[in-house]
Amino acid sequence: GAVVSQHPSRVICKSGTSVKIECRSLDFQATTMFWYRQFPKQSLMLMATSNEGSKATYEQGVEKDKFLINHASLTLSTLTVTSAHPEDSSFYICSASLWNTEAFFGQGTRLTVV
Amino acid sequence: DAKTTQPPSMDCAEGRAANLPCNHSTISGNEYVYWYRQIHSQGPQYIIHGLKNNETNEMASLIITEDRKSSTLILPHATLRDTAVYYCIVRPQSGNTPLVFGKGTRLSVIA
Repeated sequence: GAVVSQHPSRVICKSGTSVKIECRSLDFQATTMFWYRQFPKQSLMLMATSNEGSKATYEQGVEKDKFLINHASLTLSTLTVTSAHPEDSSFYICSASLWNTEAFFGQGTRLTVV
Repeated sequence: DAKTTQPPSMDCAEGRAANLPCNHSTISGNEYVYWYRQIHSQGPQYIIHGLKNNETNEMASLIITEDRKSSTLILPHATLRDTAVYYCIVRPQSGNTPLVFGKGTRLSVIA
């Protein structure tokens, strides 16, 4: 199946700094990618839809100025957590799919803000 | 909101078949039933999907009732590595539509 790669897999940052997470579709082009967040013992929560060449669409309650999404090419979307705080510590996961196939997920990024 | 309901947890003996149920009584005509699983601290892994016919692949079988209001994922010979949270999701077969996750079923395979 198609491969989606996420980097880094784990990051620790100081409170107030920004962190960038990359999501790449390795063997296909994805006009749309999705970003999720998962807190311990909870399910995945959709944060935003990343559209190549246009602005991302954010779910209700997700601050667009805090979670900056850039989808500059058909194989790369980035999520930047700006001015991170301990409550932003979570497991961030991206996904992508071809037009009419199942979605494929990255391996996830565990962010710890100290 | 997720359109599916699943039991929160299930146990299965190693080597036996694991049957995971899912209710999706409000499924629309153009929505498929997808199954994913998530092993601890990893991204979800695709298992199988179907519209109305039963489906089988190398990982599992999917049985969808005739009225499409429920389905069952079958892992024919569960192994310890099948221990994971299993998510049943309904969605149109469109790459531009996100998967909306419910709480899933935590399957524990016991030796």
